[in-house]
Amino acid sequence: EAGVAQSPRYKIIEKRQSVAFWCNPISGHATLYWYQQILGQGPKLLIQFQNNGVVDDSQLPKDRFSAERLKGVDSTLKIQPAKLEDSAVYLCASSLTLSNQPQHFGDGTRLSIL
Amino acid sequence: SQQGEEDPQALSIQEGENATMNCSYKTSINNLQWYRQNSGRGLVHLILIRSNEREKHSGRLRVTLDTSKKSSSLLITASRAADTASYFCATAPTGANSKLTFGKGITLSVRP
Repeated sequence: EAGVAQSPRYKIIEKRQSVAFWCNPISGHATLYWYQQILGQGPKLLIQFQNNGVVDDSQLPKDRFSAERLKGVDSTLKIQPAKLEDSAVYLCASSLTLSNQPQHFGDGTRLSIL
Repeated sequence: SQQGEEDPQALSIQEGENATMNCSYKTSINNLQWYRQNSGRGLVHLILIRSNEREKHSGRLRVTLDTSKKSSSLLITASRAADTASYFCATAPTGANSKLTFGKGITLSVRP
């Protein structure tokens, strides 16, 4: 089966600009996750979708970050405006269902803010 | 906040040796998972152990879980250079609909 697809792989922008990341999960996976991974740390959950509904966005900085999964398949994560501390790898993952399943990760988008 | 804390932070061993990595956590869990991450890549799921299980095996991997001590260990036997990667434990707290909290990870280097 095809894995989780993410694009772009790399993005360099200046602070205060906006950026968007795209994710296509494994076919049939109902649950989709966006994580932020800062260098030297583990992934931190930003938002979790079940089909097209938000399950958890408690750690999403909603003043600048937004995410959608309109048709319950692919998803976009946007940052507007970007800050220097947003430099990180943004990982998308998917799983079959909400409950206690392994998560399958894409290779991420490495974002650098100048 | 980081629920799982891995130990050691870094581990360097010779090919063929065994590698043992530990994870401690603070709250009750539904399950604990171990993931591997190669440089520049996404995380790969290795093994999931439920709170009512004590030990699981998968190939050269052996995971134990001690819920009384709130700790887990990952053993990689007969290590290979290809095992060089970062390893993360992730915990799913009870009732948290699979929301995982990852530790900071362990960097494993296997010397040929």
